[in-house]
Amino acid sequence: NAGVTQTPKFQVLKTGQSMTLQCAQDMNHEYMSWYRQDPGMGLRLIHYSVGAGITDQGEVPNGYNVSRSTTEDFPLRLLSAAPSQTSVYFCASSTSSSLRHYGYTFGSGTRLTVV
Amino acid sequence: QKEVEQDPGPLSVPEGAIVSLNCTYSNSAFQYFMWYRQYSRKGPELLMYTYSSGNKEDGRFTAQVDKSSKYISLFIRDSQPSDSATYLCAMANQAGTALIFGKGTTLSVSS
Repeated sequence: NAGVTQTPKFQVLKTGQSMTLQCAQDMNHEYMSWYRQDPGMGLRLIHYSVGAGITDQGEVPNGYNVSRSTTEDFPLRLLSAAPSQTSVYFCASSTSSSLRHYGYTFGSGTRLTVV
Repeated sequence: QKEVEQDPGPLSVPEGAIVSLNCTYSNSAFQYFMWYRQYSRKGPELLMYTYSSGNKEDGRFTAQVDKSSKYISLFIRDSQPSDSATYLCAMANQAGTALIFGKGTTLSVSS
């Protein structure tokens, strides 16, 4: 099925552990982004990419790394997990011509708990 | 001041009520406005999109933009229990490379 696929759906980490949240899309979208969603805070942009090899920081980038080696994949890496990174993470994608008008297609999210 | 402000609610209404959801924004360069709907434990889905000022209607939903006041609204007529969800306003950043979201308003429609 075409769309944005996020794995895993759920994850529990211990403080200090590292992990990678995977995101893949099969729609040939140039634009991809990572958001985190916390109660009462809405969706906050972590990092985004406008194409393979091009990434930039969003509103809350600290503690996260990204890279974009292919159009399809945009993984999010937590280098040393902290309890403050407990959140629901959403990956989203769009074409450059569609974003302004029609926004993103979102994945189903990864629920991360850091203990 | 955040670029996009939205009252998080929660908002509770009886079935059949008219619902008004609102956002304000600070950057007058924003031109493209969207409303997303998010059901519990799901990803956001695009509900409506508008450009510039004026109204846009789609069934029971009307999106309204007032650029002079930097104010956008979503009206839901004849609200249904199935409308119970979180509604997020969004707009493209000035470069058009990502979306900025409001905090979302949680709506509950009781039958």
